[in-house]
Order: sequence, then C-alpha cells, then structure tokens
Amino acid sequence: SQKIEQNSEALNIQEGKTATLTCNYTNYSPAYLQWYRQDPGRGPVFLLLIRENEKEKRKERLKVTFDTTLKQSLFHITASQPADSATYLCALAYSSASKIIFGSGTRLSIRP
Amino acid sequence: GAVVSQHPSRVICKSGTSVKIECRSLDFQATTMFWYRQFPKQSLMLMATSNEGSKATYEQGVEKDKFLINHASLTLSTLTVTSAHPEDSSFYICSARSVGVNIHYFGAGTRLSVL
Repeated sequence: SQKIEQNSEALNIQEGKTATLTCNYTNYSPAYLQWYRQDPGRGPVFLLLIRENEKEKRKERLKVTFDTTLKQSLFHITASQPADSATYLCALAYSSASKIIFGSGTRLSIRP
Repeated sequence: GAVVSQHPSRVICKSGTSVKIECRSLDFQATTMFWYRQFPKQSLMLMATSNEGSKATYEQGVEKDKFLINHASLTLSTLTVTSAHPEDSSFYICSARSVGVNIHYFGAGTRLSVL
C-alpha cells in the first residue's frame, strides 16, 4: 500500500528564513499532490495542488515542487512569519474521483 | 474558497448516548463528502466516503453500524456515533470535494468527549 513520509515531525525556523518541508511517497506517482495547513483544533485548509505533469507551483510566499523520479514533493515558505506556525499536511490523490491519502504532517514553528 | 460548515464544534455526552454531527457545503454542491477521525498529534484517518443518494463506503476496520452516515442531499451529510463509549472520544472532521478537481474543503471539526 502507498506510504507517505513527511520529513520530520517538527521543524523550527527563524523568522524571515525559508522553511522547506519534504513529502516522500512509495509506489506509483499520484495524479495530484496537495498541501494543506492545519491549526490546532481546526480542520485542514487547502493551500496548493500540483499535478503529476507539473514541476512547480507558486502562490504568494508558497512554492511546491513535484519530482516523480525522486517520488518527492518539497513545500517552501519564503520570508517565514510566526503566523505561518502550524502543521502542514501532504496529501496524494490518484484521480479526480478518488479519496486522498494524508501524510502524518510536519509541525512548523517560526520563532521571532 | 468553498465553505464547509460542521456542527457542533464540541459535544460532551454520557456513555451510551448517540451523537449526530452535521456537515454542510454552503456555497457549492458536494456529491461526495468524507468523514475523518483524528487523534492527538496524528494525521487524519479516513473513516468513510459518503455519496449523495447512496450508501457510504467504509474503510477497513470502521464499524458501519457504529458510525451511521447519511448523505441525503448535495449539501448535507451527517455522521451519527451510536451508543458512544469513551474510546469514541476523538476529533471528527468532514470534508467535501469540489467537482472536477480533487480538492477537499474541510469543516472546522467536532471534538467529541464521551464520559
């Protein structure tokens, strides 16, 4: 079965630096790879989606890359701020109609 | 973005009672909704997929008679935890999928505490 690994359980970054989170998967590549943000006691919020034929996607300070050869996605937050502190979840979907599979998440803390 | 409303946000009940959680898509039609359970510091565990007008599809190990799902309209799905016990205490989250692209919009979650 598909396994998703997010690089670390927790990541601490100095404000202003770029935070980089990693998502690795086994088996075959998904049609869509997504990143969500989850704050404590809240539901996840969709951030970005990247398709298997796309290498990179950007949205404001966020950037996602997708390397199907390495079976890896990188999620970058540039000019990080304390308000970016949250848990970030990587999720895979194999078609537009399938369920999505979540990684265990990386808890990101941005210190002032 | 699309809005999903989940209600109640928190419920405390006695062991043996049933609890109903509602999930509504407010500004779009959701033919498919999903129910998840999340334990502290763990990721979301999919419990079931709810399709409008048909029976829900449950994940392996999830008791369908324990967690009743109804998806009677394109904007509403409900999860009923029947005869709740303390081990059912958890954070339950629903999501609704937009048509065409597999993006899930999540509710704010329901914290269930069974005494």
